[in-house]
Amino acid sequence: GAVVSQHPSWVICKSGTSVKIECRSLDFQATTMFWYRQFPKQSLMLMATSNEGSKATYEQGVEKDKFLINHASLTLSTLTVTSAHPEDSSFYICSASGAIYEQYFGPGTRLTVT
Amino acid sequence: KNEVEQSPQNLTAQEGEFITINCSYSVGISALHWLQQHPGGGIVSLFMLSSGKKKHGRLIATINIQEKHSSLHITASHPRDSAVYICAVYNTDKLIFGTGTRLQVFP
Repeated sequence: GAVVSQHPSWVICKSGTSVKIECRSLDFQATTMFWYRQFPKQSLMLMATSNEGSKATYEQGVEKDKFLINHASLTLSTLTVTSAHPEDSSFYICSASGAIYEQYFGPGTRLTVT
Repeated sequence: KNEVEQSPQNLTAQEGEFITINCSYSVGISALHWLQQHPGGGIVSLFMLSSGKKKHGRLIATINIQEKHSSLHITASHPRDSAVYICAVYNTDKLIFGTGTRLQVFP
């Protein structure tokens, strides 16, 4: 149990375009989903926390207009990187929580902006 | 100083060895997670604990709340255990991550 999927697993896009990443909890209802970013050989950095049906809470320094998060249902959250630039290239990981203090992580999405 | 410190940062072992990874934290926590990240990037949750000890297969995790310290032990290590092991603590509704311990187990 407790499986979280992400799609796509990797994506290459051109500078200026937008990219949407999906995060799904496959076998449980996720009241809260988290979006992280990870640079090579570094730890995960929390970008935002989203609760189903509510606006996401962004961490300090994360541009909410650039990284749009939608948590439309108890099994799906999406992260849209708008007007992507090469500096947005990174590994993006989501996690989902259905119970307090639990987090189950997705396999990640590697984004490359050319 | 990081709020969550792990040691060692890098660890190499021969197959079959007993391995210990340590995690110390300086903040109040509600729970502590041990995570495993393989080279492909995916993260697997190994343990969540708030007191005592948990065991799953060859893995054992312990936590001492008074000393703000946790350990992850791997018995009879195997090359497939090679990964980055991350300690993360739950503080004010979010996880704070350690910098990870890179483990390589050689046959």
